[in-house]
Amino acid sequence: NAGVTQTPKFQVLKTGQSMTLQCAQDMNHEYMSWYRQDPGMGLRLIHYSVGAGITDQGEVPNGYNVSRSTTEDFPLRLLSAAPSQTSVYFCASSYWTGTGSSLVTEAFFGQGTRLTVV
Amino acid sequence: TQLLEQSPQFLSIQEGENLTVYCNSSSVFSSLQWYRQEPGEGPVLLVTVVTGGEVKKLKRLTFQFGDARKDSSLHITAAQPGDTGLYLCAGGVGSRLTFGEGTQLTVNP
Repeated sequence: NAGVTQTPKFQVLKTGQSMTLQCAQDMNHEYMSWYRQDPGMGLRLIHYSVGAGITDQGEVPNGYNVSRSTTEDFPLRLLSAAPSQTSVYFCASSYWTGTGSSLVTEAFFGQGTRLTVV
Repeated sequence: TQLLEQSPQFLSIQEGENLTVYCNSSSVFSSLQWYRQEPGEGPVLLVTVVTGGEVKKLKRLTFQFGDARKDSSLHITAAQPGDTGLYLCAGGVGSRLTFGEGTQLTVNP
């Protein structure tokens, strides 16, 4: 099992360029999410998906698009990169575990993509 | 929006010392999770607490969920250099987690 795989690990873009960050999981998890991590701000949710064909916006969705055509893949697209999108991006997949009142989800994260927009 | 505040933001201690980090919110969470993140890596789940007042132990780490399910703490006994990392608390379920800002812990040999 590879878990959650993100590519690329590093990327430098010029302002206005577009690109797609790839995320794949091999654990057959229903839920997948994209977060960005900036210094002193923890992780903030960009977009998320509860299953193939279903996506929704998180806390900071502007400037990003997602799609979920398969259970395994959840790419994040930057439409027109801006310096404010310089960040480390993490993809996560999660699943339900436990029973009754102890039913919770556990998340697994990829290694991240460090993006710099100049 | 549910917010989580962690304190302290930075903590530097000597090997062998004990420490506690805190995660607080004005909102009730059905569960809280603690993650540890090392440089260049994604967060790794340490524990999930679900019941008010619950205490969970993971070797030298003790996690507590507040009675009102609005706060949590992580206590490390006899810290070791291998405990160095960013500790994050998170609340929520499914694909929507809310994270605190994190506590950067450095344990010096």
